[in-house]
Amino acid sequence: AQSVAQPEDQVNVAEGNPLTVKCTYSVSGNPYLFWYVQYPNRGLQFLLKYITGDNLVKGSYGFEAEFNKSQTSFHLKKPSALVSDSALYFCAVRDVNSGAGSYQLTFGKGTKLSVIP
Amino acid sequence: DAGVIQSPRHEVTEMGQEVTLRCKPISGHNSLFWYRQTMMRGLELLIYFNNNVPIDDSGMPEDRFSAKMPNASFSTLKIQPSEPRDSAVYFCASSSLTHEQYFGPGTRLTVT
Repeated sequence: AQSVAQPEDQVNVAEGNPLTVKCTYSVSGNPYLFWYVQYPNRGLQFLLKYITGDNLVKGSYGFEAEFNKSQTSFHLKKPSALVSDSALYFCAVRDVNSGAGSYQLTFGKGTKLSVIP
Repeated sequence: DAGVIQSPRHEVTEMGQEVTLRCKPISGHNSLFWYRQTMMRGLELLIYFNNNVPIDDSGMPEDRFSAKMPNASFSTLKIQPSEPRDSAVYFCASSSLTHEQYFGPGTRLTVT
């Protein structure tokens, strides 16, 4: 079974400060990891993914995430937060060993990010 | 390129009525997912298809819910009869071998 934990329901950060949204995962094999963002009244929007390779992954809108296998974490980061980054952020995982043809992702419960002007 | 298309965007219906939600995935994607999102339960996977074949429907709440994918470019999620507790935002998503899913704008369903 695969699972994702986002330990913070809400993160508040001042505009211009660095932000971190935390995610830890559990899989039986190697993970594929994803971050999505959801703005109010919109669908989830893909930000970035880790499949293999460099542990630091860069994505859309200046976001990046660091894969840490020993800590089973995949935290989302941005060096300088913008007010427009305020949204709901979801971490998701897929177990590489979940079977051929199976692309089911398991999503975390989401973290609400508020960037304060 | 057009993204995932869902219709209608909003649906208001009375309890007991049949509701049909529609989804057109991104062309070339071979997997399609139906999700439901509520404040109380968050994002729930209802069912997903691979190459038009239902793979896992364990998330479908009960027999009132059914989903079909008659071809690679169209899927429906039907609720019959609808109940107030079915009120939620329903999302369709599709993916290819690159693994990430692309979500549609959602259908906001209100059952009164």
